Amino acid sequence: AQSVAQPEDQVNVAEGNPLTVKCTYSVSGNPYLFWYVQYPNRGLQFLLKYITGDNLVKGSYGFEAEFNKSQTSFHLKKPSALVSDSALYFCAVRDINFGNEKLTFGTGTRLTIIP
Amino acid sequence: NAGVTQTPKFQVLKTGQSMTLQCAQDMNHEYMSWYRQDPGMGLRLIHYSVGAGITDQGEVPNGYNVSRSTTEDFPLRLLSAAPSQTSVYFCASSQDRVSEKLFFGSGTQLSVL
Repeated sequence: AQSVAQPEDQVNVAEGNPLTVKCTYSVSGNPYLFWYVQYPNRGLQFLLKYITGDNLVKGSYGFEAEFNKSQTSFHLKKPSALVSDSALYFCAVRDINFGNEKLTFGTGTRLTIIP
Repeated sequence: NAGVTQTPKFQVLKTGQSMTLQCAQDMNHEYMSWYRQDPGMGLRLIHYSVGAGITDQGEVPNGYNVSRSTTEDFPLRLLSAAPSQTSVYFCASSQDRVSEKLFFGSGTQLSVL
């Protein structure tokens, strides 16, 4: 069975500092990996994806994520945090041989950017 | 574009009552799905549909029914609400079941007393 772990429930970062939100995964085949963001009282919004190719993928709002196959990780990063980045972040994975009905989400990490 | 529209935004039910959560999308997406979001548990798939007339169960289908009579609409029915169904419900759609991007509605916060 596939799974996603987001080891930190809460991450606090000072505005202007780099941020990292951690994600590790387990899947039997090759993974499709995703990050979604949820702002208060809103649905999830797609941030970025890793399908194949470069291990560093860039997404919306200046976010990027690094795929590391040996560590089975897909950490979300941003070089300089903004207060507006404060939100709930979800990592998700599915095997490339399956559809969205097999998409597994992590439990989420609440990111707070401190002015 | 409206995207994925869910109604109502909030609902309070008594145990045993029934209700329908509405979901509509205007992007001509084939794939639609319902999730529930509970603290510390992420999102769990309730039911999904790969096209009009086709539905299937997800991870936590018990107590919920769905139908897909049109491409646009995918209502979720609670036949006899239970306190364990207190949650935030999200509808999501994608172009098809293998599309890499899901589009989410803004959610329905349901409380069952």
